[in-house]
Amino acid sequence: ELKVEQNPLFLSMQEGKNYTIYCNYSTTSDRLYWYRQDPGKSLESLFVLLSNGAVKQEGRLMASLDTKARLSTLHITAAVHDLSATYFCAVDIRDFGNEKLTFGTGTRLTIIP
Amino acid sequence: DSGVTQTPKHLITATGQRVTLRCSPRSGDLSVYWYQQSLDQGLQFLIQYYNGEERAKGNILERFSAQQFPDLHSELNLSSLELGDSALYFCASSVGAGAAKNIQYFGAGTRLSVL
Repeated sequence: ELKVEQNPLFLSMQEGKNYTIYCNYSTTSDRLYWYRQDPGKSLESLFVLLSNGAVKQEGRLMASLDTKARLSTLHITAAVHDLSATYFCAVDIRDFGNEKLTFGTGTRLTIIP
Repeated sequence: DSGVTQTPKHLITATGQRVTLRCSPRSGDLSVYWYQQSLDQGLQFLIQYYNGEERAKGNILERFSAQQFPDLHSELNLSSLELGDSALYFCASSVGAGAAKNIQYFGAGTRLSVL
């Protein structure tokens, strides 16, 4: 059974600082996704990573994937208050009919002014 | 706006009742997924449909059922409701069928409160 673990679960950081969220998964996966969720809102797709060594960047967020270590990271650079949200990683298998997402526990990020 | 439409936004009902949640996928998407989000269980996959056919099942209770109609909208039926069924229910859609990225786009969710 595919399991996905994120850490930390909670992260409180000051504006302007850098930090990294980690996502480990237990078995081979074809795709790794990062989503953002604001309180009481829907999930917004941030990145999809398809291959070993893949790196995607959008603004102050950068995601990377190491398939050998079964590890993805979401790096936050010079955090700003607008980045406060819960971030989820999720994995699936590229197998027709088996494309369900298995989500991590989420990391609740709070940026303090 | 993800393009995925869910109705209703909120539902308040009593134990033992039955409710139906509705989802319209993004234009062109053939796969529809249902997820349940609760504080204790996190985000859990319930069921997937592709072009009208059931494709994958997660830990969906027997009291729950779903279907996808010819126009590709989907409904999730929850019956004999219990307090523990209170949660946020999300629908997501994607191209599916082994597409390279297969990004799932999520609707705004239906918040179900069972009293």
